[in-house]
Amino acid sequence: DAMVIQNPRYQVTQFGKPVTLSCSQTLNHNVMYWYQQKSSQAPKLLFHYYDKDFNNEADTPDNFQSRRPNTSFCFLDIRSPGLGDAAMYLCATSSGTGEQPQHFGDGTRLSIL
Amino acid sequence: GENVEQHPSTLSVQEGDSAVIKCTYSDSASNYFPWYKQELGKGPQLIIDIRSNVGEKKDQRIAVTLNKTAKHFSLHITETQPEDSAVYFCAAPGPGRLYFGRGTQLTVWP
Repeated sequence: DAMVIQNPRYQVTQFGKPVTLSCSQTLNHNVMYWYQQKSSQAPKLLFHYYDKDFNNEADTPDNFQSRRPNTSFCFLDIRSPGLGDAAMYLCATSSGTGEQPQHFGDGTRLSIL
Repeated sequence: GENVEQHPSTLSVQEGDSAVIKCTYSDSASNYFPWYKQELGKGPQLIIDIRSNVGEKKDQRIAVTLNKTAKHFSLHITETQPEDSAVYFCAAPGPGRLYFGRGTQLTVWP
């Protein structure tokens, strides 16, 4: 089945130690999104790629970076994780922005020691 | 950007009863309104969506209604079952993205 796959499902890192989360898709969608979701909250958009065009949300901290080497893969890099960065990170894809359905992966739960 | 308000934040119903979740939005130009269901430990899954050229859409026990004049849309779940227990999010489109409501924790008691 076509899907959005996130690895790993659980990630533990140390305070200040860089970490990379990955997302892959078999839907061949143009757009890939990264969201941060904390407990009992809605997903918060960090940034998205439309093909190779990167779109950063104004309130996304500089500590968060992303790479999209090809259509299928997208990475979230957290350069110096703080305790406040512990959260679920969700990847989603869509065939267009705004008025198109988004398809989510099951997320990576990030813990900071 | 779009402002999406979702109510209630929690909803408890008895198995077999109906559940209704309501959302309002601010941008009258919006034309697409999805609903997502998020089970514990999983990502949100699209369960139904509606575009502004129709006022209602049904899929088995789930329906969505849209009132463009009043700028609100609602999710209706009939004959609820324990497996309907989850967090439900509504969303409305903005430039290049979706804006999500705060979510509704639905609990269906057997």
